[in-house]
Amino acid sequence: EVQLVQSGAEVKKPGESQKISCKGSGYSFASYWIGWVRQMPGKGLEWMGIISPGDSDTTYSPSFQGQVTISADKSISTAYLQWSSLKASDTAMYYCARRYDSTMGWFFDLWGRGTLVTVSS
Amino acid sequence: QSALTQPPSASGSPGQSVTISCTGTSSDVGGYNYVSWYQQHPGKAPKLMIFDVSKRPSGVPDRFSGSKSGNTASLTVSGLQAEDEADYYCSSYAGSNKLVFGGGTRLTVL
Repeated sequence: EVQLVQSGAEVKKPGESQKISCKGSGYSFASYWIGWVRQMPGKGLEWMGIISPGDSDTTYSPSFQGQVTISADKSISTAYLQWSSLKASDTAMYYCARRYDSTMGWFFDLWGRGTLVTVSS
Repeated sequence: QSALTQPPSASGSPGQSVTISCTGTSSDVGGYNYVSWYQQHPGKAPKLMIFDVSKRPSGVPDRFSGSKSGNTASLTVSGLQAEDEADYYCSSYAGSNKLVFGGGTRLTVL
């Protein structure tokens, strides 16, 4: 089955570091870019950035540049999103999604179920 | 890179049609035919409904259709059904390998 499996929910304290994961299966993981999307409680989707697992080429949204780090390990078909110092405002659901390149453009055709990160003292 | 503008809410009765707009700029919606639409039910992950402005993935009912004119894209849901009640998000390529989402529209089936 083609799927993206995300790591489980996390509860962290402000200032702590955190790394969540997204493991692809059922397809050639290195051949498709993986994107990360934030959804704060009761709010809309925000595009954070995208990585090519094949060569780790990464593009960040200006809003998230310097705030998070996106990485990938193609040998284990896994992409990561990490923070060095969490803030309460990082509390959100984080989705990973596979980018599909069509003849005209690209879009996210496959989504993980999301990882809820709660940051609270 | 600002979010695309969507109406916060839309509604219609079963069987009716409803159209949700998504307004951007010439740097995103107007500049590329890379608009896609996602449906999100409460507590669920988003689901792709439309890509490349007007194409439907396999399995998406033909009641869903997309279009674009200038800097505004639209999603039309015809023959509304109860299960169409959800949040809908547009997105567009914004150049330089970047993407932007709309703020989302909550569709209510009356």
